[in-house]
Amino acid sequence: AQSVTQLGSHVSVSEGALVLLRCNYSSSVPPYLFWYVQYPNQGLQLLLKYTTGATLVKGINGFEAEFKKSETSFHLTKPSAHMSDAAEYFCAVSIDTDKLIFGTGTRLQVFP
Amino acid sequence: EAQVTQNPRYLITVTGKKLTVTCSQNMNHEYMSWYRQDPGLGLRQIYYSMNVEVTDKGDVPEGYKVSRKEKRNFPLILESPSPNQTSLYFCASSLKSGGLRTKNIQYFGAGTRLSVL
Repeated sequence: AQSVTQLGSHVSVSEGALVLLRCNYSSSVPPYLFWYVQYPNQGLQLLLKYTTGATLVKGINGFEAEFKKSETSFHLTKPSAHMSDAAEYFCAVSIDTDKLIFGTGTRLQVFP
Repeated sequence: EAQVTQNPRYLITVTGKKLTVTCSQNMNHEYMSWYRQDPGLGLRQIYYSMNVEVTDKGDVPEGYKVSRKEKRNFPLILESPSPNQTSLYFCASSLKSGGLRTKNIQYFGAGTRLSVL
């Protein structure tokens, strides 16, 4: 069955530190992959997506993610965390028509 | 401004009292979907619609109904709410992919926090 696994329900970093949020997927077909962010009391919004082509994808707010087929991973990174990055982050995969399968989310805390 | 609008944002009700959460989008999207978000479980799809008068069950449809009489609206109906339906609900819309997999962005409403006592 297709699925998405996000390792770590909570991640804490200091302001200015590297952010690394992990996402692994399981799929029998080449997937399309997404990262969405949910700020407090808001809906989800797209950070970035991978469909085909370049495996390193850049998104908004300085985030990027790399699709690694051999590792079935799509980890999200940002070189330097900012206080405004505190939010919940969801990895999602599209395998079958318009449906997105979401991971369980990772809450990012940023300390001053 | 492109948006998905859900109402109400917050709702407290009692077991068995029918309620409707409205969802409207202004982007002329064919695909609309309802999710519930619960701690540790992420987002789970309740129902979705590929177009007007076309709806189908998602992963957790029990206890919910939907309708799609107009392209822009996709209300979620709880005929007899129970405490296990206490959750945060999101409506989303996107263009239809027209084939296998979608690269289309889903646009989300701000959410409806429902408490069933």
